[in-house]
Amino acid sequence: EVQLLESGGGLVQPGGSLRLSCAASGFTFNNFAMHWVRQAPGRGLEWVSGITATTSTTQYADSVKGRFIISRDNSKNTLYLQMNTLRAEDTAVYYCAKLRALVYFDYWGQGTLVTVSS
Amino acid sequence: NFLLTQPHSVSASPGKTVTISCTRSSGSVGNNYVQWYQQRPGSVPTIVIYEDDRRPSGVPDRFSGSIDSSSNSASLTISGLKTEDEADYYCQSYDTSVWVFGGGTRLTVL
Repeated sequence: EVQLLESGGGLVQPGGSLRLSCAASGFTFNNFAMHWVRQAPGRGLEWVSGITATTSTTQYADSVKGRFIISRDNSKNTLYLQMNTLRAEDTAVYYCAKLRALVYFDYWGQGTLVTVSS
Repeated sequence: NFLLTQPHSVSASPGKTVTISCTRSSGSVGNNYVQWYQQRPGSVPTIVIYEDDRRPSGVPDRFSGSIDSSSNSASLTISGLKTEDEADYYCQSYDTSVWVFGGGTRLTVL
């Protein structure tokens, strides 16, 4: 059974940093690209970032480019998102998601809430 | 980059059929697959249609997807509506290393 478990969310002040983790199990982690998708309170889904399976090529939404860094440790089956220079508009539930066929997200974690506020 | 535009909300009665549209702002909808996700209140999104018109195992055949090149849009059709179908629905596509979600459509089953 595929499981994705996010952690690391919490309350942080504007300008601060936070690192999210996503522990994966139930599939061969290093065979799949992984992504982060977020959802602000009461709002829709927004793609944030993705990373390929083995070459670790990264992609970012314009809204986070230069501030967030996605990475993975295939030896630990874990995905990360380093979030720097956080803004109030980064407040959201952050989901990690497994990418299938380079096209769609077939499994999602339960999400971790990040709140940016003073 | 492109946008995917969905109606904010739709509603229909149990047993009826509803269609949710998703219009791509630039580039051809036929060039990249479109997916649909269902998100019930308080729950994680789950995929109901992938690669334009394919249903994952476990998704009832009441759910179907299609694309229309003439309107540059994709559609999700749900027939035989049930109260359990009440949820937010999001379309999603991608292009040149960017994955895009539509703004979401709230389906109310009256």
